[in-house]
Amino acid sequence: GENVEQHPSTLSVQEGDSAVIKCTYSDSASNYFPWYKQELGKRPQLIIDIRSNVGEKKDQRIAVTLNKTAKHFSLHITETQPEDSAVYFCAAFNQAGTALIFGKGTTLSVSS
Amino acid sequence: KAGVTQTPRYLIKTRGQQVTLSCSPISGHRSVSWYQQTPGQGLQFLFEYFSETQRNKGNFPGRFSGRQFSNSRSEMNVSTLELGDSALYLCASSLGPRDTQYFGPGTRLTVL
Repeated sequence: GENVEQHPSTLSVQEGDSAVIKCTYSDSASNYFPWYKQELGKRPQLIIDIRSNVGEKKDQRIAVTLNKTAKHFSLHITETQPEDSAVYFCAAFNQAGTALIFGKGTTLSVSS
Repeated sequence: KAGVTQTPRYLIKTRGQQVTLSCSPISGHRSVSWYQQTPGQGLQFLFEYFSETQRNKGNFPGRFSGRQFSNSRSEMNVSTLELGDSALYLCASSLGPRDTQYFGPGTRLTVL
């Protein structure tokens, strides 16, 4: 079945720096890749997603890139701010589209 | 539109008991997925329902079951509770399969 690997598990950056989180997936039929942000005690919130017909998508300081050949996708956050501190999860659908499989998460800490 | 709601928000049970959790999707959403979140295992897929049909089940024992009603509301049940079932149970709704999923606030289950 689908497997999603996420790295790193923790990431500490200074305010204003960029942060990059990488994920690889196993099912070559996967075609939808969302990223969720979960603050302490809150529900996961979708921050950006990408479908396999595009290679990159950007929304203000957040961007996601997808390399279908290598089966990996990445989240890029520029000009990080303390409020970006949270756990970030990547995910991919299994081939049948009946299950969203999540990576183990990355704890991002942004210090001012 | 109101977001995904889950009841109850907190539950304390003892080993051997059973529990039922409820999820009300965003109006118009017909697909509901359930996840178990624990610190060690991250977000693990439990089930996915669409039009009252379970389309997929994750790697969980038969003690975990669920259903979806004609109004798209969903319930999950865990019988013969074990200490290891303590977790945050999240549901997510989407318009349909393979669509963006939006999470509810979760039910925090503690098994003593």
